[in-house]
Amino acid sequence: ELKVEQNPLFLSMQEGKNYTIYCNYSTTSDRLYWYRQDPGKSLESLFVLLSNGAVKQEGRLMASLDTKARLSTLHITAAVHDLSATYFCAVRDDKIIFGKGTRLHILP
Amino acid sequence: GAVVSQHPSRVICKSGTSVKIECRSLDFQATTMFWYRQFPKQSLMLMATSNEGSKATYEQGVEKDKFLINHASLTLSTLTVTSAHPEDSSFYICSASNTHRGNRYEQYFGPGTRLTVT
Repeated sequence: ELKVEQNPLFLSMQEGKNYTIYCNYSTTSDRLYWYRQDPGKSLESLFVLLSNGAVKQEGRLMASLDTKARLSTLHITAAVHDLSATYFCAVRDDKIIFGKGTRLHILP
Repeated sequence: GAVVSQHPSRVICKSGTSVKIECRSLDFQATTMFWYRQFPKQSLMLMATSNEGSKATYEQGVEKDKFLINHASLTLSTLTVTSAHPEDSSFYICSASNTHRGNRYEQYFGPGTRLTVT
């Protein structure tokens, strides 16, 4: 059974700082996703990572994938308050399984 | 492209009544649709997978007689919560994918439906 673990589950950080969210998964997969969710809203797709060594960047967010280690990271550079949200990683088996999410709170 | 809508966005109903939630793919044909529920401050839990024209596949622990799913066309799936109880109150999110498109593993999420059962 595919399991997806994220850490930390909650992160409070100051604006301007860097931090990384980690996503481990238990079996091989051909797709890893990162989503953002704002309170009361649905999911916004951030990244889809398809292969080992894949790196994608959008603004202050950068995601990477190491399929051998079954690890993906979401790195936040010089955080700003607008990035406060819950971030989910998800992994595709025969269906998409979500991690528990990381609630990110960025203090102005 | 790849827009998914849900209706209604919010619904309040009384215990014992049934509620239908619609999920539509607006600009593509959704061969597969997924239904999730999300409790406050928790992750998304997959309830069921539906393929157009066939019966839905429910996840373990999800009552198929309580959560009726119909995927009658390539653009519409419905979730009916029957005999709703307060514990069914949740945020229900659908997603859709098209296995015939190039990026067949992408799922496109709807905006969600907030169900409150009083």
